Amino acid sequence: GAGVSQSPSNKVTEKGKDVELRCDPISGHTALYWYRQSLGQGLEFLIYFQGNSAPDKSGLPSDRFSAERTGGSVSTLTIQRTQQEDSAVYLCASSPRPGDEKLFFGSGTQLSVL
Amino acid sequence: SQQGEEDPQALSIQEGENATMNCSYKTSINNLQWYRQNSGRGLVHLILIRSNEREKHSGRLRVTLDTSKKSSSLLITASRAADTASYFCATDLNQAGTALIFGKGTTLSVSS
Repeated sequence: GAGVSQSPSNKVTEKGKDVELRCDPISGHTALYWYRQSLGQGLEFLIYFQGNSAPDKSGLPSDRFSAERTGGSVSTLTIQRTQQEDSAVYLCASSPRPGDEKLFFGSGTQLSVL
Repeated sequence: SQQGEEDPQALSIQEGENATMNCSYKTSINNLQWYRQNSGRGLVHLILIRSNEREKHSGRLRVTLDTSKKSSSLLITASRAADTASYFCATDLNQAGTALIFGKGTTLSVSS
């Protein structure tokens, strides 16, 4: 597709379970970002991949959160032992190159932890 | 910590009126961007202004940047009901290869 694709669009899970969220960036985009948005709040930066460089993980809230980007394309955000406070919309974005360009966002994954 | 902070948090106007939203940030930047979000899902890029620019226009949008005050404003002229959305400013940290940091946004409601 032409845009950033995220799956699933909605995920309901039980507290303590692990979840995986997927992001397919726009083809050729070297930079990929994950953000989290709680209800009525702004975007919280989580992690940033830029080409072949080491990712910027400074925004990950705890060691239960991890992300990888395979082959410089698809990215997976994994949350282990989910907690109710993890409930939020998880947004992925990509850009043609790191730094000085606009971001293209996916529609997000709404995660609900019961 | 939050780099950008929008003001006001919420704004309600009538169709045809102008809407002005402000963004303040803390550190020096390379550029500042404004994004729009409908229904709490994906954001759409509106406009980018670089640190050496003072004003930029795109259709009914006008953005200003004052680096001495570390602030920016977004003006939407002749607003329409379809402009109802949340608007966010985003800044980098004037370092190569850093992620954009977003503010908490201004929620704009335009009634007909």
